[in-house]
Amino acid sequence: TQLLEQSPQFLSIQEGENLTVYCNSSSVFSSLQWYRQEPGEGPVLLVTVVTGGEVKKLKRLTFQFGDARKDSSLHITAAQPGDTGLYLCAGGPSGAGSYQLTFGKGTKLSVIP
Amino acid sequence: ETGVTQTPRHLVMGMTNKKSLKCEQHLGHNAMYWYKQSAKKPLELMFVYNFKEQTENNSVPSRFSPECPNSSHLFLHLHTLQPEDSALYLCASSQGGTGIGYTFGSGTRLTVV
Repeated sequence: TQLLEQSPQFLSIQEGENLTVYCNSSSVFSSLQWYRQEPGEGPVLLVTVVTGGEVKKLKRLTFQFGDARKDSSLHITAAQPGDTGLYLCAGGPSGAGSYQLTFGKGTKLSVIP
Repeated sequence: ETGVTQTPRHLVMGMTNKKSLKCEQHLGHNAMYWYKQSAKKPLELMFVYNFKEQTENNSVPSRFSPECPNSSHLFLHLHTLQPEDSALYLCASSQGGTGIGYTFGSGTRLTVV
């Protein structure tokens, strides 16, 4: 069974601070996705990384896929209250014909004005 | 507008009731999914449909019955549920069954009393 561990589980920071959240596994994934979910809504896809060592930037968010494709990180620069939400990582299917994404439990981020 | 619409948004049902959740996508995707999101647990994949054919059923109890009449519509029929089935039920779609680039609906918050 593939597992994704996210850390920290909860994070509360002041507006303007930087932060990094982590997604780790002992399994190799074909791709890694990050989603943000706000209360009462479904997750929204932020980014997909597919190549080991890949770095993608989305405004103040920087995503990195580990060289071995087993882990990923999300770094937010100068956090804003609008960044508040549950951040989920999900590992892409690893077997032929498999359609299942493996999700972590998420990091709940609160950015205080 | 996420492109994936779920109804109802909230549902309260007794353990002897029968109800259905509906999901509709207008993105031209060919794969649709049902996920269950409970507190303190990762998102759990329930069912996958690819081109209307069910391709995965992750050992879901028979009191949950999916139906996919076409590539745009997905239903989850519920009967004789238990209180532990209370959760947020999310529908998602993707282009291709590989799971890359899921679009989620807003979910149905189900409470079983």
